Amino acid sequence: KQEVTQIPAALSVPEGENLVLNCSFTDSAIYNLQWFRQDPGKGLTSLLLIQSSQREQTSGRLNASLDKSSGRSTLYIAASQPGDSATYLCAVRRGAGYSTLTFGKGTMLLVSP
Amino acid sequence: SAVISQKPSRDICQRGTSLTIQCQVDSQVTMMFWYRQQPGQSLTLIATANQGSEATYESGFVIDKFPISRPNLTFSTLTVSNMSPEDSSIYLCSVEDGGEGYTFGSGTRLTVV
Repeated sequence: KQEVTQIPAALSVPEGENLVLNCSFTDSAIYNLQWFRQDPGKGLTSLLLIQSSQREQTSGRLNASLDKSSGRSTLYIAASQPGDSATYLCAVRRGAGYSTLTFGKGTMLLVSP
Repeated sequence: SAVISQKPSRDICQRGTSLTIQCQVDSQVTMMFWYRQQPGQSLTLIATANQGSEATYESGFVIDKFPISRPNLTFSTLTVSNMSPEDSSIYLCSVEDGGEGYTFGSGTRLTVV
């Protein structure tokens, strides 16, 4: 059974810092991995999708990497801003024929001005 | 990307009553997914809804408690029946968004008193 772990569970940084969020998964046979952002009490906003054949994806100040063989992904946020404060979730999809996602519990990020 | 409209955004309900949550997608999709996120926890899949057939429920979830309708390829409802305080959660619907991973609705924050 796939298990997804996110470390740290919470992170507080001053504005302007670069930071890294970690995601690990126990079964390396994944189809893709997706990073989401969730604001308190709200739905999920997709940030980045990495296919199993890819090493990284970038969008603006966000960069996500994937090391499938070691079961790890990182989300790098450059020059953090207070508006980045949210919970960040990673989720893995098992295979093309499997349509469900396995989620981690998330990292709660607080960026202070 | 697909856009999902989810209603209501939040509700406070009396125990023993039922609440129906609606999700409308701006494009036709084969499968729609319903998730529950209990306080402090990650997302757990409740069921997968296909148009024209009964929903497929995950272990621990039953149709009598969480009946689902899927009348067409753009719409689905989830009902939380005979509610108790333990049903207080965020409920989310999701669709696979072509090659862009999964898109989620804005969530329904349910509090049962």
